[in-house]
Amino acid sequence: AQSVTQPDIHITVSEGASLELRCNYSYGATPYLFWYVQSPGQGLQLLLKYFSGDTLVQGIKGFEAEFKRSQSSFNLRKPSVHWSDAAEYFCAVGPFSGGGNKLTFGTGTQLKVEL
Amino acid sequence: EAQVTQNPRYLITVTGKKLTVTCSQNMNHEYMSWYRQDPGLGLRQIYYSMNVEVTDKGDVPEGYKVSRKEKRNFPLILESPSPNQTSLYFCASRPPDFFEETQYFGPGTRLLVL
Repeated sequence: AQSVTQPDIHITVSEGASLELRCNYSYGATPYLFWYVQSPGQGLQLLLKYFSGDTLVQGIKGFEAEFKRSQSSFNLRKPSVHWSDAAEYFCAVGPFSGGGNKLTFGTGTQLKVEL
Repeated sequence: EAQVTQNPRYLITVTGKKLTVTCSQNMNHEYMSWYRQDPGLGLRQIYYSMNVEVTDKGDVPEGYKVSRKEKRNFPLILESPSPNQTSLYFCASRPPDFFEETQYFGPGTRLLVL
């Protein structure tokens, strides 16, 4: 069965520091991978997605992620974090024929930014 | 503006009192779904609908019902809510081609069942 693991429940970084959020997946076929951000009291916003091609994907708000098939990873990075980046981040993998091509989400990483 | 709306945004109710959470999208999307979000568990799919009058169970459908009489609306019904249904609920929609575009999420409905 497909699964997504986000090993870090909470991460704290200083504003201006670099950020890397980890995501590992388990999936039997070519994965399609996503990162979403959820700001306090808000819904989920898509940061970036990987379907195929270049394994380094650029997203919104200065985020990028790199797909590494050999490590089954899709880590999210940002070179310089802003205080407004404080939020919860979810990695997701799909599609799956069961559930109408649903996404399977990780448990999330809560990012805190220290000023 | 393209959006998915949910109502209410916050709801406190008591065990056994039927409730409905509405979801509406203005993008003419065929596919809609409901997720619940719980701490440490991420988002889990409750029900989904591929089109009008076509619905099916997701991973955690017990205690929920849905209907899809119109393309734009996909209400979530709790016939007899229980405390274990206290959660944050998200509605989502997307076009039928998964690879063309991804899901749009509503703002969420926070439900407390006493």
